[in-house]
Amino acid sequence: EVHLVESGGGLVQPGGSLRLSCAASGFTFSDHYMDWVRQAPGTGLEWVGRTRNKANSYTTEYAASVKGRFTISREDSKNSLYLQMNSLKTEDTAVYYCVRVALVVPAADDFWGQGTLVSVSS
Amino acid sequence: DIQMTQSPSTLSASVGDRVTITCRASLSISSRLAWYQQKPEQAPKLLISKASSLESGVPSRFSGSGSGTEFTLTISSLQPDDFATYYCQHYHSYPITFGPGTKVDIK
Repeated sequence: EVHLVESGGGLVQPGGSLRLSCAASGFTFSDHYMDWVRQAPGTGLEWVGRTRNKANSYTTEYAASVKGRFTISREDSKNSLYLQMNSLKTEDTAVYYCVRVALVVPAADDFWGQGTLVSVSS
Repeated sequence: DIQMTQSPSTLSASVGDRVTITCRASLSISSRLAWYQQKPEQAPKLLISKASSLESGVPSRFSGSGSGTEFTLTISSLQPDDFATYYCQHYHSYPITFGPGTKVDIK
């Protein structure tokens, strides 16, 4: 059974940093691209970014709203995905979801974790 | 960037109703469109990919159609478990974007 479990969320001041982690199990993590998607309170879904797999050199893509501030990385040996968030702004407050991309790209996000809440406030 | 719009934003319906939600893309996205269902306090769930391909385990009352810039999600006979918010998403190019969502509530 596929499991994606996010951790690392919490309260941080504007300008601060936070690192989210996602532990994956139940599938061959190294084969898949992985996304981060966020949802601000009471609003819709916003794609944050993507990391490709080793076969595609672990290259990344980012939304304009986070480019230069957020970095996605992965550690296939630990079945783990990370989101390093720097220079956080109040508008980054959201639930952050770790999401698996289906195998044959281009592809939809076929499995989602339960999310971790990040609150940016002074 | 490709913009996604959805209509209606809210839909009030009864159990047994046929429900249709429309999603439009600002540029052609071929069939690179997905539909997700999200219930309160839960993560989104993938219902349909490639515009019309039903995911395993999703009831057959859900169907998707369209290509290019206009797409629809249809629920043939609304069930109590279907009251939720539905999002479309394109994955044609970067950045990937979602529609604003359609909330289906009880009439």
